[in-house]
Amino acid sequence: KAGVTQTPRYLIKTRGQQVTLSCSPISGHRSVSWYQQTPGQGLQFLFEYFSETQRNKGNFPGRFSGRQFSNSRSEMNVSTLELGDSALYLCASSSNPGTGAYEQYFGPGTRLTVT
Amino acid sequence: SQKIEQNSEALNIQEGKTATLTCNYTNYSPAYLQWYRQDPGRGPVFLLLIRENEKEKRKERLKVTFDTTLKQSLFHITASQPADSATYLCALDPLPGKSTFGDGTTLTVKP
Repeated sequence: KAGVTQTPRYLIKTRGQQVTLSCSPISGHRSVSWYQQTPGQGLQFLFEYFSETQRNKGNFPGRFSGRQFSNSRSEMNVSTLELGDSALYLCASSSNPGTGAYEQYFGPGTRLTVT
Repeated sequence: SQKIEQNSEALNIQEGKTATLTCNYTNYSPAYLQWYRQDPGRGPVFLLLIRENEKEKRKERLKVTFDTTLKQSLFHITASQPADSATYLCALDPLPGKSTFGDGTTLTVKP
């Protein structure tokens, strides 16, 4: 089975711009979660989508948004970029989120640098 | 508020020894806990999941314990090898799809 893929792998943007990141989950996985990872804050949960619906959301401003398509692929968007948005953005998919006991499969991440 | 603490940022041990990493949590009543491994510049990789009613779980050279009274999980790597050098993260899942991760412990195994 192919793993989780994320595109692009690296991105450099300027303050004020917006960016869209893409994630393709493992085939058959319907849950996709997004995380931001920085040296100072560690892994922070952004949001989770299941069957095209956002089910959970972390404590991030409204500039961070996402969506999921019918094929479970997901995108996240960050508008009006700030320097502090520079981070590794990770996507994770899982197959059985409903029971609570599940494992997540992470993609390689997108390294976003805001200048 | 909910909090996860991993015992130290860095742990250095000699090859062949057992590495023990600690994950403590407060203001949680998790049904299960997970451990992940992360190499530099890459996404975390799932290692083990342990449920609240399981005291111990093993997978090859890995062993995880879960003490809900102490609110602590211990992660052991026996007969450690330089290839085990990485950052290890513990995660609690109070809600489906929303994992809360510790900051991680970076393990270095010296030959």
